[in-house]
Amino acid sequence: GAVVSQHPSWVICKSGTSVKIECRSLDFQATTMFWYRQFPKQSLMLMATSNEGSKATYEQGVEKDKFLINHASLTLSTLTVTSAHPEDSSFYICSARTSGILNEQFFGPGTRLTVL
Amino acid sequence: GDSVTQMEGPVTLSEEAFLTINCTYTATGYPSLFWYVQYPGEGLQLLLKATKADDKGSNKGFEATYRKETTSFHLEKGSVQVSDSAVYFCALYSGGYQKVTFGTGTKLQVIP
Repeated sequence: GAVVSQHPSWVICKSGTSVKIECRSLDFQATTMFWYRQFPKQSLMLMATSNEGSKATYEQGVEKDKFLINHASLTLSTLTVTSAHPEDSSFYICSARTSGILNEQFFGPGTRLTVL
Repeated sequence: GDSVTQMEGPVTLSEEAFLTINCTYTATGYPSLFWYVQYPGEGLQLLLKATKADDKGSNKGFEATYRKETTSFHLEKGSVQVSDSAVYFCALYSGGYQKVTFGTGTKLQVIP
C-alpha cells in the first residue's frame, strides 16, 4: 500500500516551453502533497506544500508563477514548470500523506527534467 | 530550527563489511526519525523509522536506534552487499509530521 506515482519519469524540452508533471497517490487519499527539487548529489529541497482544494504554500525563494501547482483531487497533484530554462533542469520528487498526525510522507519515483 | 547532519560520503566498503552512517539532529519537541534510501534515478524509499527515544528501527538487515541523550540516529548494517549501494538520507519529522527535514545524504558504494 501507500504507492505514489509520477508521470513522466523523464522529460526533455526546449527552453521557453512549459512542462507538466503529475503526481498520483494510487491507493490512498492524499490530503496533502509536497513537491521537492533535488540537484545532483544534493538533498531534497521542499518547494511547496499543497492541500487538496486550496492554493499551494510555497517555500521562500520559490517562484509561484513559475512553478504552478494544482491539487485538484485527493489523488492528483500537478506541477507545471512554465517557460522552462536550462537552470530548471533538475530531479523533481513529489510526496503525499493523508490527514492526521503521525502520518508520514510517501514519495514518488521522481521526474528528471532536462531543459535544452 | 530543525536540522539533520549526516557524515559526508562517499563511503566505499567491500562486500560483507560493517556499515555505519552517522546521523545527528537538532530539534525542538519530540521528533520522529527516519532513514530513506535512494537508488540511482529513483525516488526515496523508506528504509526504517523510530518514533520515540530508545526505539530501534530495523529493516533488511539495517538498524538504527533513536538516542535522545546524544541526539543521534546512526544507521548500521552488519554485512553489506553490492545491492546496498545507494544514497542514504536521514530525516526528521516534526510538528506533528507537518515538516520533514532531510540530511544531505550519504552515498554508499559497496565493491565485490
